Amino acid sequence: DIQLTQSPSFLSASVGDRVTITCRASQAISTYLAWYQQKPGKAPKLLIYAASTLQSGVPSRFSGSASGTEVTLTISSLQPEDFATYYCQQLNNYPRALTFGGGTKVEIK
Amino acid sequence: EVQLLESGGDLVQPGGSLRLSCAASGFTFSSYAMSWVRQAPGKGLEWVSDISGSGTTTYYADSVKGRFTISRDNSKNTLYLQLNSLRAEDTALYYCAGPYYDILTGYFGDYYYYGVAVWGQGTTVTVSS
Repeated sequence: DIQLTQSPSFLSASVGDRVTITCRASQAISTYLAWYQQKPGKAPKLLIYAASTLQSGVPSRFSGSASGTEVTLTISSLQPEDFATYYCQQLNNYPRALTFGGGTKVEIK
Repeated sequence: EVQLLESGGDLVQPGGSLRLSCAASGFTFSSYAMSWVRQAPGKGLEWVSDISGSGTTTYYADSVKGRFTISRDNSKNTLYLQLNSLRAEDTALYYCAGPYYDILTGYFGDYYYYGVAVWGQGTTVTVSS
């Protein structure tokens, strides 16, 4: 099975900071990868799919990119509502295992 | 309205069984694969199981293989997860996860490419004596 290693697991940042979260796969995953945001007590919210396509309604300060086995989520200017936990998920492999990364908690510095 | 509504979570003893349900509405249920995703208290998301739209193909995480069974009744727009031989480590909030959905265009798609955009609110399973 493909393993996803997400880093960092915890990040302390200030409003306005540029934040980057990385997800490394144990093997090639093409671009079938999604990013989610989860706030306490809420279901995850889809932010980005196909590694770099922004879901409708998601602010443009969020962006994604992919290179080889590494995918990255960037928040260009952190806003108060962005403090949450972020997860990557790989979507298309056989045998099917829609694995999540371990998560990155973004907290206020 | 596009909605997933889970039910069936409960407190159960180790070794016990439980069946979770997820009622879907607002989309053509039989056209899309569905999944269960769980989250243990204070922990990250864990994919549990996946079933094709027709119900003929299923997949499981190694942690639940042989103990959990995913199924669906497309005539009732309902997804199920049968949990047997429950362990303390199965204690979690169980989410029903549905298709991709673009609220602006009304487009639905398989999550294998787009990711999951339709989530339930979760149902809690607690395994404890």
